[in-house]
Amino acid sequence: GAGVSQTPSNKVTEKGKYVELRCDPISGHTALYWYRQSLGQGPEFLIYFQGTGAADDSGLPNDRFFAVRPEGSVSTLKIQRTERGDSAVYLCASSLSGGSSYNEQFFGPGTRLTVL
Amino acid sequence: DQQVKQNSPSLSVQEGRISILNCDYTNSMFDYFLWYKKYPAEGPTFLISISSIKDKNEDGRFTVFLNKSAKHLSLHIVPSQPGDSAVYFCAASATQKLVFGQGTRLTINP
Repeated sequence: GAGVSQTPSNKVTEKGKYVELRCDPISGHTALYWYRQSLGQGPEFLIYFQGTGAADDSGLPNDRFFAVRPEGSVSTLKIQRTERGDSAVYLCASSLSGGSSYNEQFFGPGTRLTVL
Repeated sequence: DQQVKQNSPSLSVQEGRISILNCDYTNSMFDYFLWYKKYPAEGPTFLISISSIKDKNEDGRFTVFLNKSAKHLSLHIVPSQPGDSAVYFCAASATQKLVFGQGTRLTINP
C-alpha cells in the first residue's frame, strides 16, 4: 500500500516568507509526527498528533511554527517569518496508534526547506 | 543536551564481515529502542527494535543488544552486504516521540 507522502519534496523561500509543508499519512494511521533534521544531525521531534489534536507540541522551537490536522488525516506544518536557521529536512511519520512507545513509526521522504 | 549519542560518524567494513554500530543514551526513562536505516533523499526506514525488558533481539542478519546498566545498545550486521551501505540512526522512546542519535554512515566495501 501507499506509504507516507510529503509535498513539496523541495521548497526554496526567502527569509521572512511564510511556508506550508504537507503530510499525507498511511491510511488508517491515527498518530502523526513531525520531525526536523538539520545537516549532520538526527531527526528532532517537533509535534505529535493523536487524531485531530496535538497531543505533544513540546518540540516546536517557537511560536513561528504551527501544525494542524483538522480531519485527523492530512497534516500541515506552517512556518511564519522564516529564518535561515529553519533550513532543514522536515520529516513526517505516522503510526497505527500513539498509545505507547511501541508503535512503529513509518517515515515519509521529507521536505527539504531552504531559506535564502 | 544530547540524550542519545552515536559517537562514530562513519564506519567502513569489508563485505562479508561483521558491522557493529554503537549507541549510548543518558535517560533511564527510555523503555524502547530502535534502529533506523536511511538512504539519501528517503525517509528513515525501521530496521529492528528492542524493549528495555530484553537484552537481545535478532532478525535475520541484524541483532540488537541492549546493556541497560551501561545505557548502551549496539547493532550487529553479519554478514555485511553492499546494500547495507547507508546512514544508521539509533532512537529511543519513553513516550510517543522518538529521540534520535546523530547517525553513523556505514560503508560496505566489496
